[in-house]
Amino acid sequence: DADVTQTPRNRITKTGKRIMLECSQTKGHDRMYWYRQDPGLGLRLIYYSFDVKDINKGEISDGYSVSRQAQAKFSLSLESAIPNQTALYFCATRAGRNTEAFFGQGTRLTVV
Amino acid sequence: GENVEQHPSTLSVQEGDSAVIKCTYSDSASNYFPWYKQELGKRPQLIIDIRSNVGEKKDQRIAVTLNKTAKHFSLHITETQPEDSAVYFCAASIAQAGTALIFGKGTTLSVSS
Repeated sequence: DADVTQTPRNRITKTGKRIMLECSQTKGHDRMYWYRQDPGLGLRLIYYSFDVKDINKGEISDGYSVSRQAQAKFSLSLESAIPNQTALYFCATRAGRNTEAFFGQGTRLTVV
Repeated sequence: GENVEQHPSTLSVQEGDSAVIKCTYSDSASNYFPWYKQELGKRPQLIIDIRSNVGEKKDQRIAVTLNKTAKHFSLHITETQPEDSAVYFCAASIAQAGTALIFGKGTTLSVSS
C-alpha cells in the first residue's frame, strides 16, 4: 500500500544535540508537510514543500530546518534541540491544494 | 496570522446521543475544510471533508455543514457509539500558507455506554 513512513518512531535526545527526523512517501504526491502536535495545541505547521526547490516556513519554523532530498523524501532537523521541542511530530503529504492530507505514523521526540 | 478556532475542547455524551463540534476560520479565501479523527496513539485520519461550493455533506452518521459567509463549519455525529471516542480536528486550507492545512486545537469526544 502506498504510505507515508517516518523514522525514527521514538527518540530521546539531549539538549544541544542535532537531530534529524525523516519522512518518505510512496504516494507520488508533490506536497509534503511537517507538523508538530502538543496536547491542547492541535497540529501546528512547521514547514511545507511543493517540490524539491520550493520550501516554505509554516507557523512555527524557528529552531527547525528542512531538506527535500527528492520528491519522496522530506527531512526535519533540529540543529540544537531544546526541551520545549519535546513533542509528537507528523509528516504529511497531499496530492493537491484542495485534497486530503495523509499522515505518517508520527515520531515521538523527547529532549532531556 | 490566519487561524482556525475549534469548540468545545472536550465533549462528553451518552451513547446514542448526537455530538456537534464547531470551527471558525479567518481566511476568506479558504476553499477546503476536512475533519480528522485521531485515536489514542494513532495518526490523524480523514473522516469527512467539504469544499466551498457545497453547503452540506453527509456520510452515514457523520455530516459537515459549511457557512462561507459566516466563515464557520461544523461536524455532526449522530447515534454516537463508544468507538467514536477520539480527538477530532477541523482544518482549513489557508491561502497565505500555500493552501496548507491549518488545524484547530482539537476536541476530545468521550462517548459513554
